Amino acid sequence: DAGITQSPRHKVTETGTPVTLRCHQTENHRYMYWYRQDPGHGLRLIHYSYGVKDTDKGEVSDGYSVSRSKTEDFLLTLESATSSQTSVYFCAISGGLAGVNEQFFGPGTRLTVL
Amino acid sequence: GQQLNQSPQSMFIQEGEDVSMNCTSSSIFNTWLWYKQDPGEGPVLLIALYKAGELTSNGRLTAQFGITRKDSFLNISASIPSDVGIYFCAGFSSNTGKLIFGQGTTLQVKP
Repeated sequence: DAGITQSPRHKVTETGTPVTLRCHQTENHRYMYWYRQDPGHGLRLIHYSYGVKDTDKGEVSDGYSVSRSKTEDFLLTLESATSSQTSVYFCAISGGLAGVNEQFFGPGTRLTVL
Repeated sequence: GQQLNQSPQSMFIQEGEDVSMNCTSSSIFNTWLWYKQDPGEGPVLLIALYKAGELTSNGRLTAQFGITRKDSFLNISASIPSDVGIYFCAGFSSNTGKLIFGQGTTLQVKP
């Protein structure tokens, strides 16, 4: 299994509060991604990174920001959480021997915004 | 934007039966991937396909990259209870550099 951890694994927060989710990898992969998974929508890309300090938006980036100051860490921040951001968030990595096409996923963070 | 249509949405089968699911798109993909997700966990990569027409097996799983590059299918032979989960297809386009996911097929196996 790819060495990917996500923290926290579960979080309950209130509307309007800031939230930061962390993804940590031990594989030294270049690319990192944040997805959200919702019933009926499958997995949708929020933001991704193609190197340290290099990030770009995905299809559902509004209300989210990211940062990558080290190869191994990719942070997802909800500046002011809303109930519509209640979801399961997955981090993924790629760019190892399998190439950029094959993405490997972390265990997920279940976020509930009340 | 690019979309993948995955079918069926759900399946309820008897242990020992074979299963087939597929994904289609109006767009061409360079790579097709199949993932399985167990409850409370992240998707796990099962099979990766890189060439049109390619047929690849992983144990009881067989997947094919469609000739048109717009579709792929996954077969599971002789299903067992641990096959239960959600199966996702995903297509990678070198034009966008992104992975697009199907909606998933939920598989339930009755012992």
